[in-house]
Amino acid sequence: AQSVTQLDSQVPVFEEAPVELRCNYSSSVSVYLFWYVQYPNQGLQLLLKYLSGSTLVKGINGFEAEFNKSQTSFHLRKPSVHISDTAEYFCAYTGGFKTIFGAGTRLFVKA
Amino acid sequence: DAGVIQSPRHEVTEMGQEVTLRCKPISGHDYLFWYRQTMMRGLELLIYFNNNVPIDDSGMPEDRFSAKMPNASFSTLKIQPSEPRDSAVYFCASSLDRNQPQHFGDGTRLSIL
Repeated sequence: AQSVTQLDSQVPVFEEAPVELRCNYSSSVSVYLFWYVQYPNQGLQLLLKYLSGSTLVKGINGFEAEFNKSQTSFHLRKPSVHISDTAEYFCAYTGGFKTIFGAGTRLFVKA
Repeated sequence: DAGVIQSPRHEVTEMGQEVTLRCKPISGHDYLFWYRQTMMRGLELLIYFNNNVPIDDSGMPEDRFSAKMPNASFSTLKIQPSEPRDSAVYFCASSLDRNQPQHFGDGTRLSIL
């Protein structure tokens, strides 16, 4: 069955430190990969997407992600986080007829 | 450009009542999705439409749930009768096609007492 695994449910990090949120997917077909962010009392917003081309994808708010086909991973990174990055982050992929979302990773940035 | 618009933003009602959630997708988007989000189960896809036609409703939890899309600019999700376990945040999203990013509304927070 197709699935998305976000390996960490919560990631606490200090302000200005780097962060990596991990995501693995299981699919043998071509996939389209996404990271979304959800702030409190809001819907999900697209951070970045991988549809094809360069495996390093840059998104909004200084985030980037790298598509690794051999490891079926799409980890999200930011070199220096801000308090305002505190939110829930969802990895998702479309590889067929449905978009599959991960369970989410709560990023908590501490001062 | 207006995003996906959902109404109401909050709904509190008593068990057994009918609940109707509404969604206006982004103009030109051919796909519309309904999701439910809870702490216990995370984000669940309930149903999605393509060009106003329901394609996959396998996520609809029970016959008490129904969804319609009478035209390209409007969709409803109805729960009748409602139960306390239906309490959740319900999101509507739309996309240009099934491989493009989805644009989410701000959700309807539903509380069934």
